[in-house]
Amino acid sequence: GAGVSQSPRYKVAKRGQDVALRCDPISGHVSLFWYQQALGQGPEFLTYFQNEAQLDKSGLPSDRFFAERPEGSVSTLKIQRTQQEDSAVYLCASSLALAGSSGNTIYFGEGSWLTVV
Amino acid sequence: QKEVEQNSGPLSVPEGAIASLNCTYSDRGSQSFFWYRQYSGKSPELIMSIYSNGDKEDGRFTAQLNKASQYVSLLIRDSQPSDSATYLCAVRSGTYKYIFGTGTRLKVLA
Repeated sequence: GAGVSQSPRYKVAKRGQDVALRCDPISGHVSLFWYQQALGQGPEFLTYFQNEAQLDKSGLPSDRFFAERPEGSVSTLKIQRTQQEDSAVYLCASSLALAGSSGNTIYFGEGSWLTVV
Repeated sequence: QKEVEQNSGPLSVPEGAIASLNCTYSDRGSQSFFWYRQYSGKSPELIMSIYSNGDKEDGRFTAQLNKASQYVSLLIRDSQPSDSATYLCAVRSGTYKYIFGTGTRLKVLA
């Protein structure tokens, strides 16, 4: 596809359930980011991948959150034992060049809306 | 103090007026600055990037950067109802981490 694709678009999970959110970046994009956006807030950084390497996971809220990008393309964000405070939109973004390159633009997907009940 | 601060609004302007959106940031070493537009229920989309002090114009949009004051702004000329959205200011911290403000909600009144 032409853009960053995320699935599922909407997920309702019962508290304690595990969820997996998928991100398919733009083909050939080296850098991949996950952000969390709560209602009325700006996106908050979760983690960054350069190809298959997870270079920064400092934004992951707890050890219940885990992200991977094993072949350097598709990425999965997994949340174990979901809690109500995990309810948010999870945005994936990708960029062609290495992050920090001059003029590098990050492109966001439509997001996965997670509601924990 | 949040790293990137914006007034949450809403900022209401009449159609055809200039909308002025402001953002301050705390990391004096930041070099890259971005404005994103986000319609309700949609993902952020990049409007402008700016890296040097001064003004950068693109159509109806002008980004202004003042690194000494740690201030970046976005002007929208001839505002249209379709410009009604939340505008997110983002600052790149280090080589890859984009720090976003909470966004300013703009309402352009027809």
